[in-house]
Amino acid sequence: GAGVSQSPRYKVAKRGRDVALRCDSISGHVTLYWYRQTLGQGSEVLTYSQSDAQRDKSGRPSGRFSAERPERSVSTLKIQRTEQGDSAVYLCASSLWDRGITDTQYFGPGTRLTVL
Amino acid sequence: AQSVTQLDSQVPVFEEAPVELRCNYSSSVSVYLFWYVQYPNQGLQLLLKYLSGSTLVESINGFEAEFNKSQTSFHLRKPSVHISDTAEYFCAVSESQGGSEKLVFGKGTKLTVNP
Repeated sequence: GAGVSQSPRYKVAKRGRDVALRCDSISGHVTLYWYRQTLGQGSEVLTYSQSDAQRDKSGRPSGRFSAERPERSVSTLKIQRTEQGDSAVYLCASSLWDRGITDTQYFGPGTRLTVL
Repeated sequence: AQSVTQLDSQVPVFEEAPVELRCNYSSSVSVYLFWYVQYPNQGLQLLLKYLSGSTLVESINGFEAEFNKSQTSFHLRKPSVHISDTAEYFCAVSESQGGSEKLVFGKGTKLTVNP
């Protein structure tokens, strides 16, 4: 069956521009997560949503990062006024239930964002 | 806040040799522990996890990890590696209390298995 997919796989943006990254999760999965993976610094969760409710767990400047879930299996991570420090791989993950961290998370291949 | 330390950024080994990938964590509360694997050009995949019960957990492809609370470690081991095990391995931790859904990853260890 289809796994989690993300698009685009690579994105180059000029500093100050807004970007939108898409995630298509596994059909039927309830919870969607967005992570930021920086080379040599591991990954951190940016935000997640259970069903239709969005919970922002971002430790980032929350005003620039937001996620929308127009459909149950689709999420869009929006980054406003990108900064060079936003350059990273953005990972999307989904889990079948909404029981929290004990549920297995299935990850997409990631979108590599480069901000010039 | 939790943190994860993977001391080895790269581990080269020969095929059929044993391997240990080290992971230490820091947390003020009890935790859940995970190992994820990322093969080239693929997303992260859950390899194994410790939630409770037996401190030794195993994966279907021969890896195992042991939760050691006193040493705050969750090292990943395999007695005999294959070329196909070449990948990057990430240790992750999450608090088991307070309903936190936050998964904190280490920086990763690149395992290269040579013929």
